[in-house]
Amino acid sequence: DAKTTQPNSMESNEEEPVHLPCNHSTISGTDYIHWYRQLPSQGPEYVIHGLTSNVNNRMASLAIAEDRKSSTLILHRATLRDAAVYYCILRDYSGNQFYFGTGTSLTVIP
Amino acid sequence: NAGVTQTPKFQVLKTGQSMTLQCAQDMNHEYMSWYRQDPGMGLRLIHYSVGAGITDQGEVPNGYNVSRSTTEDFPLRLLSAAPSQTSVYFCASSYSGQGIVGYTFGSGTRLTVV
Repeated sequence: DAKTTQPNSMESNEEEPVHLPCNHSTISGTDYIHWYRQLPSQGPEYVIHGLTSNVNNRMASLAIAEDRKSSTLILHRATLRDAAVYYCILRDYSGNQFYFGTGTSLTVIP
Repeated sequence: NAGVTQTPKFQVLKTGQSMTLQCAQDMNHEYMSWYRQDPGMGLRLIHYSVGAGITDQGEVPNGYNVSRSTTEDFPLRLLSAAPSQTSVYFCASSYSGQGIVGYTFGSGTRLTVV
């Protein structure tokens, strides 16, 4: 699986939107872009994933650049419960392995 | 549904002891995997299975054994524990190992080897 690059940490004010960036310049055509988050002392939690088009679900939105070399996870209205480490991961369609980086630690300020 | 259940939640072992970390899922997922997470680091894949009777190594398999006799269970065995295996262990499952679906993770087992 290709590598991803994320900022180590970000801060956001409560009830404001948050844009978490991820660079994946070596992405291949069959790589899916996955986002997970990990709250303190918990296991990772699936957030969203996509291939080429932007995706929305109840938790977040995923914006994928036209060249697919970067993506942005959007939390529309940050809450204190969104404070977590967010991981951006690439997974090949045919692959059975899944590599995490160190992610972005999001702090939400009341 | 319970999702992915890991037991025990905490364990302290002495160097050289053996133990098995249990992982069970009730979602009829074919794909299951084990990860370890060391302080301040991301998760690293230890072993994975694409179905009953089929297992394969991940990024850091040394010191760990796995087997998959049923769809529901995927135990991780430490044959001779070492301090370097002190970590938090997570089990995950998915309908498929392919990138088109997401994973469900367990809540983890915190292992300390002294």
